[in-house]
Amino acid sequence: AQTVTQSQPEMSVQEAETVTLSCTYDTSESDYYLFWYKQPPSRQMILVIRQEAYKQQNATENRFSVNFQKAAKSFSLKISDSQLGDAAMYFCAYFQGGSEKLVFGKGTKLTVNP
Amino acid sequence: DAGVIQSPRHEVTEMGQEVTLRCKPISGHDYLFWYRQTMMRGLELLIYFNNNVPIDDSGMPEDRFSAKMPNASFSTLKIQPSEPRDSAVYFCASSLRLGGFSTEAFFGQGTRLTVV
Repeated sequence: AQTVTQSQPEMSVQEAETVTLSCTYDTSESDYYLFWYKQPPSRQMILVIRQEAYKQQNATENRFSVNFQKAAKSFSLKISDSQLGDAAMYFCAYFQGGSEKLVFGKGTKLTVNP
Repeated sequence: DAGVIQSPRHEVTEMGQEVTLRCKPISGHDYLFWYRQTMMRGLELLIYFNNNVPIDDSGMPEDRFSAKMPNASFSTLKIQPSEPRDSAVYFCASSLRLGGFSTEAFFGQGTRLTVV
């Protein structure tokens, strides 16, 4: 079974600085998707960024970018110019087409200090 | 579209009572998922439906849990009888599968269930 591991239960960053959240996963498949979801205190799960495993280019969405290392099965999220509104739980998730299952990591709580 | 709508937002019930959680997926989406979130176990997939048919219920913890999707616009997750260890946030999510690619899963705001 696929597993997703987020080794950092909590992280903190100063406003306007850069922070990187780690995620590793285990799979024997070659075609899959990876996601980062943000969960603010409102509980809403919000998609931050998506990466298709067949794409070598790292995905970017404004201040959010990923470092996708397929061989190492690593998928880290970099947040640049951190803002107070970025404070939330961040979940890494793996998706395998065909099974239609999203497997989540345990999450990383990000605190942004003013 | 209003997004995935879950009700109630909060539910407090006594042990042994029946609890029903409700979900209205995004119109046109053909996949619906029920997740449970706890501090200890994180986000766990309980069951998912495709075109109103349950596809995988291997995550349903016990026979006390049941889920139905009578039509494309409504699903329920029922716990009978409820126990304190069922206390969690329950999320419903829906998605649309286009050809060989799946779009993202859109989540509702969750139902926080407390069983006392």
